[in-house]
Amino acid sequence: GQNIDQPTEMTATEGAIVQINCTYQTSGFNGLFWYQQHAGEAPTFLSYNVLDGLEEKGRFSSFLSRSKGYSYLLLKELQMKDSASYLCAVRAPSGGYNKLIFGAGTRLAVHP
Amino acid sequence: GAGVSQTPSNKVTEKGKYVELRCDPISGHTALYWYRQSLGQGPEFLIYFQGTGAADDSGLPNDRFFAVRPEGSVSTLKIQRTERGDSAVYLCASSFNSMGNEQFFGPGTRLTVL
Repeated sequence: GQNIDQPTEMTATEGAIVQINCTYQTSGFNGLFWYQQHAGEAPTFLSYNVLDGLEEKGRFSSFLSRSKGYSYLLLKELQMKDSASYLCAVRAPSGGYNKLIFGAGTRLAVHP
Repeated sequence: GAGVSQTPSNKVTEKGKYVELRCDPISGHTALYWYRQSLGQGPEFLIYFQGTGAADDSGLPNDRFFAVRPEGSVSTLKIQRTERGDSAVYLCASSFNSMGNEQFFGPGTRLTVL
């Protein structure tokens, strides 16, 4: 089966660093995505990892270990606007194309 | 337009009615996906189109749900005999092709079945 796990909720302080973990068990793997979703809005793309290691993009970094079925999203210098849900999604091959399988999301609350 | 658009943004209907939800993908994107998102959950895959054909409809919950994309651009998700359990946000996404890295999401249609 397909299973993606991430914490339901996290809280952090403005200016701090937070790490959101994601573990996955899927039949096939062609990359892992992180999306940000503010309440009532569409998910927006944050990062993509297909090889092991760390991808850095400004305040956001994402790490992948394929052997462990594990990824994390690291957010630095947190701002109030970072309060949102963060969705981990695995791209898995399915009948000749790639399907995105989403976790339930992690709701991050940033407080002053 | 610049992004994926969906209409209506909100739809309230009564149990048993028929509804149509529309998605306009990014111009030139051949792959189109429909998802359903319930409160506190991630998007759940419903159906995938490559061009005009539904390449994977394995996520459609039952035969009350149907989707079309007759000209390979705009898509319509159709729900017959709506039930209260159909209430959710229906998201549409498109990507350049089926192997493309990124799916671009529309703002969604919030469907409420009373």
